[in-house]
Amino acid sequence: EVQLVESGGGLVQPGGSLRLSCAASGFTFRNYDMHWVRQATGKGLEWVSAIDTGGDTYYPGSVKGRFTISRDNAKNSLYLQMNSLRAGDTAVYYCARPGSRFDILSGHFYFDSWGQGIRVTVSS
Amino acid sequence: QSVLTQPPSMSAAPGQKVTISCSGGTSTVKNNYVSWYQQLPGTTPKLLIYDNNKRPSGIPDRFSGSKSGTSATLGITGLQPGDEADYYCGTWDSSVNSGVFGGGTKLTV
Repeated sequence: EVQLVESGGGLVQPGGSLRLSCAASGFTFRNYDMHWVRQATGKGLEWVSAIDTGGDTYYPGSVKGRFTISRDNAKNSLYLQMNSLRAGDTAVYYCARPGSRFDILSGHFYFDSWGQGIRVTVSS
Repeated sequence: QSVLTQPPSMSAAPGQKVTISCSGGTSTVKNNYVSWYQQLPGTTPKLLIYDNNKRPSGIPDRFSGSKSGTSATLGITGLQPGDEADYYCGTWDSSVNSGVFGGGTKLTV
């Protein structure tokens, strides 16, 4: 059974930093691209970042230059380093695994496994 | 404002059919595959449709997906009270190499 367990969330002041972790189990982690998706309270889903099996990374404009996604295949773990945090980054952050092993640029964008989510609150 | 446009809310009676639209552009919906998710209150998103029209195992055939040009549609037939949820479409944006989601549709049954 695929399991994704996020950790590292909490309350941080504007301008501060936080590092999220996602522990993966139940599948061969190194064979899958991995993503982070967030959701502010009462709002929709927002894609945050992705890292492919080769280590190439992808970000939307809203977090590019502030967030860094990384992975440690030996530890079956995914990370999200978040710097220069803003109030608008307040959300529940989900670790998500794609349902296929197609290349990330192939256009097959879908997630069949999600973590339970971890809350990040940016506030003074 | 989301790159993919969905109606904010829809409602229908039990037993009826509803179609939820997801409008994008050439670099999103037209040139890539669309997925759909159901999010019940207080839960994580659940994959309903992938690759435009495929259902994961365990998803009933009351749920269907289609795509034409720059628009995609999620269809739900035989609506049940348990279908009351938020529904999101998602796809890849080839112009900026980013994932994108619709703003979500709140379905009331």
